[in-house]
Amino acid sequence: NAGVTQTPKFRVLKTGQSMTLLCAQDMNHEYMYWYRQDPGMGLRLIHYSVGEGTTAKGEVPDGYNVSRLKKQNFLLGLESAAPSQTSVYFCASSYSSGSGPDTQYFGPGTRLTVL
Amino acid sequence: GIQVEQSPPDLILQEGANSTLRCNFSDSVNNLQWFHQNPWGQLINLFYIPSGTKQNGRLSATTVATERYSLLYISSSQTTDSGVYFCAVRAYGQNFVFGPGTRLSVLP
Repeated sequence: NAGVTQTPKFRVLKTGQSMTLLCAQDMNHEYMYWYRQDPGMGLRLIHYSVGEGTTAKGEVPDGYNVSRLKKQNFLLGLESAAPSQTSVYFCASSYSSGSGPDTQYFGPGTRLTVL
Repeated sequence: GIQVEQSPPDLILQEGANSTLRCNFSDSVNNLQWFHQNPWGQLINLFYIPSGTKQNGRLSATTVATERYSLLYISSSQTTDSGVYFCAVRAYGQNFVFGPGTRLSVLP
C-alpha cells in the first residue's frame, strides 16, 4: 500500500496563477482532509470531506476550493494564488469508527511558494 | 471552538534522558492523536488515544479525558526522536484542531 500520496511535492507560482494539488489514498478511507502548515506553527484545517461527493469548510477555507469526485482522491484548488498562501500543504485521510473519524494518516506534503 | 495548548514549547535533552510532553484541551473530545514531525517534515502517527493509556516501545501516552489533558512519555531518548511533537484533538461534531507543538532536540 502506498498510503497517502500528494502531487506535486514542490511548486512555485506567481501571484494570480491557479493550480490544483492532488491527494490520493489507497486505504478506502471515508474521510479526507487538507491542512496547511505555516513556519513554526501547527496545522490548520482548510477543507475536509466525509465521503465521495461531499466537502465541507474547515478553519481557513478562504481562497481554496476542493472536490471529491472519487473516494480515493481529494483535490485542492487555488484559483488566484496570493503570497499569503505560501505554505506547506498536507493531505490526510481516516476511516470512520461509526462515531466519527478515527486515526488520521498523512501524506508527505506539498511545499508551495507564491511570488 | 476548542483550544489546545502544549507544553513545554521547547525541550533539549541529552541522549538517554526521559521526558514528558503535555497537551491540554478546553472541551470534551472523542478523538486525540499524537504525531511526530521529523526534521524532514514528515508527520508520523504515534498514538490514537482519546482516553486511557497505550505503550509502543519507548513511547507511551495517557489521556485523562475527564480532566482534559494528555501526556506523551519518551524514555531513553535517542537523537532520532528529535523533531516537533503535536497533539490533535476533535470535539464532538467539530473539526480537528492541532496544538502548537513541542520542539524536542536530543543531543548526542
